[in-house]
Amino acid sequence: GENVEQHPSTLSVQEGDSAVIKCTYSDSASNYFPWYKQELGKRPQLIIDIRSNVGEKKDQRIAVTLNKTAKHFSLHITETQPEDSAVYFCAATFQKLVFGTGTRLLVSP
Amino acid sequence: EAGVAQSPRYKIIEKRQSVAFWCNPISGHATLYWYQQILGQGPKLLIQFQNNGVVDDSQLPKDRFSAERLKGVDSTLKIQPAKLEDSAVYLCASSVPGPYEQYFGPGTRLTVT
Repeated sequence: GENVEQHPSTLSVQEGDSAVIKCTYSDSASNYFPWYKQELGKRPQLIIDIRSNVGEKKDQRIAVTLNKTAKHFSLHITETQPEDSAVYFCAATFQKLVFGTGTRLLVSP
Repeated sequence: EAGVAQSPRYKIIEKRQSVAFWCNPISGHATLYWYQQILGQGPKLLIQFQNNGVVDDSQLPKDRFSAERLKGVDSTLKIQPAKLEDSAVYLCASSVPGPYEQYFGPGTRLTVT
């Protein structure tokens, strides 16, 4: 079955720095890769997603890149702000969504 | 547009007791999911419905967990009997069919003592 690995497990940056979170997946048939942000005690919320026919997608300060050959995808957050502090989950799906283990991002003012 | 609704928000039970969770998806969403999220981990899919049919329940512990989605709208997830390791947040999500954004409910935090 599908397996998704996510690194790092924790990431501390200073406000204004960039943050990068990386994920690898095992099922080459996976065709949809969403990223969710989960604040403490709240529900996961989609922040960006990418499909297998696209290599890169950007939305303001957030971008996702996908390398199908290497089976990995990454989340890039530029100009980080304290409100970006949360746990971020990558996920991959072919027939069902499989989540990574999460990255706790802490942005210090 | 109203979001995914879940109840109760919190539940504390003793081991070997039973518990049920309820979910009302976004109107028009044919696909409904139940996830288990243990503290510090990502959500794990327990069961996926398409309308009122089961698409995937490969990770549902069927000896103690059951779920139904009568009439293809609301869904209930039941645990009987509960074990300590069932302590987790149970998230319901819904989407249109296919690999599209899943909208999550607020979750039910279950504590088994």
